[in-house]
Amino acid sequence: GQQVMQIPQYQHVQEGEDFTTYCNSSTTLSNIQWYKQRPGGHPVFLIQLVKSGEVKKQKRLTFQFGEAKKNSSLHITATQTTDVGTYFCAGKGRGSTLGRLYFGRGTQLTVWP
Amino acid sequence: DTAVSQTPKYLVTQMGNDKSIKCEQNLGHDTMYWYKQDSKKFLKIMFSYNNKELIINETVPNRFSPKSPDKAHLNLHINSLELGDSAVYFCASSQFLENTEAFFGQGTRLTVV
Repeated sequence: GQQVMQIPQYQHVQEGEDFTTYCNSSTTLSNIQWYKQRPGGHPVFLIQLVKSGEVKKQKRLTFQFGEAKKNSSLHITATQTTDVGTYFCAGKGRGSTLGRLYFGRGTQLTVWP
Repeated sequence: DTAVSQTPKYLVTQMGNDKSIKCEQNLGHDTMYWYKQDSKKFLKIMFSYNNKELIINETVPNRFSPKSPDKAHLNLHINSLELGDSAVYFCASSQFLENTEAFFGQGTRLTVV
């Protein structure tokens, strides 16, 4: 079945360091979405990537979708304590049942001041 | 105004009891979901409804029964609660089934004792 693997599971960084989380799918995805969940909060949509090789930026966050549409990454430059939370990728497979987003297990980011 | 609201926020109950969680969205979206998040933060889809019609029913015990009285509401009833049902349950909605971001509710933390 459809699987989206996400690594690392945990990442601890010093404030100012960079951070990257990676997603990999066993099959080609039609799109990939990224969500952030603050501790005790709910997942909040960050961005959606649709096109092969697409790169999008939101301030210090850079999102990439692989050429084969099977992998994606989120890179944060110069982390801040406000970046703390769990980052999830969620992929929708091609030809799969409509509406099913396959979430990765998330990367829990801790930022030390 | 909260876009996706679910009640209650916390639910503590004994094994064997029956409980319900309610969800309402005021975004005018067609599609609503229930997700379960376990203690390791893994987000797994349980059900998806589109215009009150059940679209996705993942391998969920039949003790869980969703009900959508109209397209703005999706409630979750759980019979004969078990210890393993303890988790955070998130309701979410999206404008359409295809390729649109999901808006999550605040979550219901269910603890079965």
